[in-house]
Amino acid sequence: DGGITQSPKYLFRKEGQNVTLSCEQNLNHDAMYWYRQDPGQGLRLIYYSQIVNDFQKGDIAEGYSVSREKKESFPLTVTSAQKNPTAFYLCASSTQGRIHLSGANVLTFGAGSRLTVL
Amino acid sequence: ELKVEQNPLFLSMQEGKNYTIYCNYSTTSDRLYWYRQDPGKSLESLFVLLSNGAVKQEGRLMASLDTKARLSTLHITAAVHDLSATYFCAVDMYGQGAQKLVFGQGTRLTINP
Repeated sequence: DGGITQSPKYLFRKEGQNVTLSCEQNLNHDAMYWYRQDPGQGLRLIYYSQIVNDFQKGDIAEGYSVSREKKESFPLTVTSAQKNPTAFYLCASSTQGRIHLSGANVLTFGAGSRLTVL
Repeated sequence: ELKVEQNPLFLSMQEGKNYTIYCNYSTTSDRLYWYRQDPGKSLESLFVLLSNGAVKQEGRLMASLDTKARLSTLHITAAVHDLSATYFCAVDMYGQGAQKLVFGQGTRLTINP
């Protein structure tokens, strides 16, 4: 079955540690996204990538880093510079890469990773 | 900067009643999406609205888009408990040269027997 796999589902981090959240998709989608969701709030965009080896900052990129070395993978590192990292992190993908396709940019989401800082 | 605002943010309704969730956005776009999220779960795509006047219906939910008013509505007819969830609208920024969606804050819908 095609889909997006995020791991781990739950992660605990001590202050000052970097952690990496994994996101893998087998949908052959060009674009991938990372969103952060805080309790009772909407989704805020951290980073997105429309093509391999390229990515753009979203609205809240400070304290995060990403890489896109393979089409299927878009890992997110939460660094110690992120002051309030406790949140639910959602990875998504879509067919809309750099070459804009007509039609919808429907995002397919992974199940999410819940990060808690101790 | 594109802003997307939903109201109400919280909605508690009785089964069998009708209600509407509103999604307003601040800049021009003719692409809007509705998603559903169950507690602790991921987001599921509900509707894709791609032009002014677009209307989509699925069961007891109907979504519409008025691009001139920069407004989308999600109407719930004769609500049932299974529709309890958080609903998000998202606006596509492709018209501003950015392939990304901006989400509203979400509307937490609780349907009581």
